[in-house]
Amino acid sequence: SQTIHQWPATLVQPVGSPLSLECTVEGTSNPNLYWYRQAAGRGLQLLFYSVGIGQISSEVPQNLSASRPQDRQFILSSKKLLLSDSGFYLCAWRDWGEQYFGPGTRLTVT
Amino acid sequence: EDQVTQSPEALRLQEGESSSLNCSYTVSGLRGLFWYRQDPGKGPEFLFTLYSAGEEKEKERLKATLTKKESFLHITAPKPEDSATYLCAVQPASGGYQKVTFGTGTKLQVIP
Repeated sequence: SQTIHQWPATLVQPVGSPLSLECTVEGTSNPNLYWYRQAAGRGLQLLFYSVGIGQISSEVPQNLSASRPQDRQFILSSKKLLLSDSGFYLCAWRDWGEQYFGPGTRLTVT
Repeated sequence: EDQVTQSPEALRLQEGESSSLNCSYTVSGLRGLFWYRQDPGKGPEFLFTLYSAGEEKEKERLKATLTKKESFLHITAPKPEDSATYLCAVQPASGGYQKVTFGTGTKLQVIP
């Protein structure tokens, strides 16, 4: 069966610091991978998706970036965090129409 | 632009008190409508996919139905463990599988 991992689970970072969140998927090959952000009172916002190694599509222009160095690894990064980057970050993979989510990373920018 | 509106925002039920959650959507051609359950501090858990009006799916105490404009998640005789936020999402027929719009959810609390 497929399993999706995210780390860290929680993170507190000062404004202006860099960010790296990692997501890995087990039990499937060449998955479509997604990064979402969930803010309080708002729906899930799609940030990036990837259909393969090195292939990244950005949905929302901002100071975040994503990379896919390996088939089952998806990384979300930032060079300088903003207060508005605080939120719950979710990685997901897609099987036909359905998406399956990881446990999430709670990011607080102070 | 695709839109998903869920109501109510919050719902408090006594154990055993059946009710329904609503998901109204606007999309130019529907490929699929999804229901997820999300527990506090965790990622959403997939529940159902509905593809066409009139379709129904069931899982334990949950039953999801779909019309051309909305979907309902019926909860029959809920238990405290059904307490969670329920999310609805739509995927349009055009634009590939990447485009999914989520609602803000209904937070359900079931009181013993």
